Amino acid sequence: GNSVTQMEGPVTLSEEAFLTINCTYTATGYPSLFWYVQYPGEGLQLLLKATKADDKGSNKGFEATYRKETTSFHLEKGSVQVSDSAVYFCALRTSYGKLTFGQGTILTVHP
Amino acid sequence: NAGVTQTPKFQVLKTGQSMTLQCAQDMNHEYMSWYRQDPGMGLRLIHYSVGAGITDQGEVPNGYNVSRSTTEDFPLRLLSAAPSQTSVYFCASSSTADSYEQYFGPGTRLTVT
Repeated sequence: GNSVTQMEGPVTLSEEAFLTINCTYTATGYPSLFWYVQYPGEGLQLLLKATKADDKGSNKGFEATYRKETTSFHLEKGSVQVSDSAVYFCALRTSYGKLTFGQGTILTVHP
Repeated sequence: NAGVTQTPKFQVLKTGQSMTLQCAQDMNHEYMSWYRQDPGMGLRLIHYSVGAGITDQGEVPNGYNVSRSTTEDFPLRLLSAAPSQTSVYFCASSSTADSYEQYFGPGTRLTVT
């Protein structure tokens, strides 16, 4: 079956630090890959996506590249802000509509 | 345009009680789904619907029922609540099942004692 594994959290960084959150997956077929973000007290929001191998998704300074050879989709940002503090979820989709999520990584950014 | 709305925000039930979690969207989306979020486990799909009158089971459907009588509404019913159903429940919708972006509601935090 499909599965997504994210790096253990929580992650605590100082403002302007470099962020990497690792994500690897197991899937049948050719999945689409996503990063969702959940701010405190809110639902999930799509942050970025990649639909085929070597695609790079980007949004709000965050980037992730679909690496089929390593089955990975690591999230990166060059300089984090306090406002980036949230829970980040890596997810994949093979069947229409059905998302498989990782366990989530809590990010806290201090001034 | 309210997006995806869920009620209630919080609920406490006793074991064996029943209740319905409400979900509505005003975007004319065909596809709607319910997830539960548990610590350390991410979100897991409970049930989904590709259109009015059509529903199907997700990864963890036991103990839950759904129906889709209109495009806008997709209620989730707990028939006999159990402590294992203590969780945060999210409803999501997208234009079609093939759409890449799903829109999530703010969630309902349910505690079963």
